[in-house]
Amino acid sequence: KNQVEQSPQSLIILEGKNCTLQCNYTVSPFSNLRWYKQDTGRGPVSLTIMTFSENTKSNGRYTATLDADTKQSSLHITASQLSDSASYICVVRGSGGYNKLIFGAGTRLAVHP
Amino acid sequence: DTAVSQTPKYLVTQMGNDKSIKCEQNLGHDTMYWYKQDSKKFLKIMFSYNNKELIINETVPNRFSPKSPDKAHLNLHINSLELGDSAVYFCASSQGSHQPQHFGDGTRLSIL
Repeated sequence: KNQVEQSPQSLIILEGKNCTLQCNYTVSPFSNLRWYKQDTGRGPVSLTIMTFSENTKSNGRYTATLDADTKQSSLHITASQLSDSASYICVVRGSGGYNKLIFGAGTRLAVHP
Repeated sequence: DTAVSQTPKYLVTQMGNDKSIKCEQNLGHDTMYWYKQDSKKFLKIMFSYNNKELIINETVPNRFSPKSPDKAHLNLHINSLELGDSAVYFCASSQGSHQPQHFGDGTRLSIL
């Protein structure tokens, strides 16, 4: 079964600290992997999108990594800010006959002052 | 200037009623989507349209009927609403199916 699993389910950190969120997937064949940020009461916003050949991609203080061999991705947030408090969703797109998006359940991040 | 806009933002109605949610995007994208986000925050795709043609139709009751009058609009009509339909419904758009999706802010549907 094609799945996307994220950990931890929730995380609390202090403002200014770094954190790393994990995403493991079993979707195969694989096309690309996306990270979205969803603020409370808003729709998800795209942070990064990586294809099979990309190992890392940055968007400001957000850096995503991808290991297509082990089917793992991480999202690293540097020097966290209060505005980083949100849910972070990992999404994997299959390819070929399985050309659809599979969403993870998300990691809820709370940044405290 | 909202890129993907949904109306209404909130919808409270009684079981058995019929309701519609509208979605418009001004990004010039050719692909639009409807998602359902349940109480556990899982996003699940319901429908996808490319250039007004239905390309994804997940296992959704046929009480849900999408309509795309043009590339910029994808509306969702729901007949005979049930308690289990309570959720947040998100509209999204993208240029092709491999580009990032832009989401609206959701319609919060509550069935009494």
